Amino acid sequence: AQSVSQHNHHVILSEAASLELGCNYSYGGTVNLFWYVQYPGQHLQLLLKYFSGDPLVKGIKGFEAEFIKSKFSFNLRKPSVQWSDTAEYFCAVKPLGGQNFVFGPGTRLSVLP
Amino acid sequence: DVKVTQSSRYLVKRTGEKVFLECVQDMDHENMFWYRQDPGLGLRLIYFSYDVKMKEKGDIPEGYSVSREKKERFSLILESASTNQTSMYLCASSPRVGAGDGETQYFGPGTRLLVL
Repeated sequence: AQSVSQHNHHVILSEAASLELGCNYSYGGTVNLFWYVQYPGQHLQLLLKYFSGDPLVKGIKGFEAEFIKSKFSFNLRKPSVQWSDTAEYFCAVKPLGGQNFVFGPGTRLSVLP
Repeated sequence: DVKVTQSSRYLVKRTGEKVFLECVQDMDHENMFWYRQDPGLGLRLIYFSYDVKMKEKGDIPEGYSVSREKKERFSLILESASTNQTSMYLCASSPRVGAGDGETQYFGPGTRLLVL
């Protein structure tokens, strides 16, 4: 069965620190990859996605993620976090041609002002 | 903009009650999904539907059923609510496989259900 793991349950950073959230998946075939974000009290929204092409994808609010196929990883990065980035971040995988997403358990990010 | 709405943001029910959660999307998406979100577990798929009157079990269907009579509406039913069904319920929709937009899922605001 497919699964998605996220390396950290809770990350605490100061403003302006750099961020990297790890995501690994287990699936042998071609996948579409996603990062979703859930700000406090708000609904899940798409941060960025990868389908094909350049493995470095850029999303909203200065986030980017790199797909490394050999490592089955899709890590999320941001060079300088802001207090407003405090949220929960979910990595998700969808096999190409499949209907369903598999979500990771989420990483809670707290940014201290 | 895709809009997915859910009938309630908060619900309080008693054990044994029948509970209906409704979801409506306005983007003519073929696929609709129900998840529950619990701390440390992420999102777990309960049921999904890829067409009107079609439904498929997800990872945790026990204790739930669904109904999709119209394309835009997908209902989740708890036949006899239990305390272990206290959770956040999220609805999502997406275009059919191969339709473009990468089949991205769009989520509603969630319904926080408390079963006493």
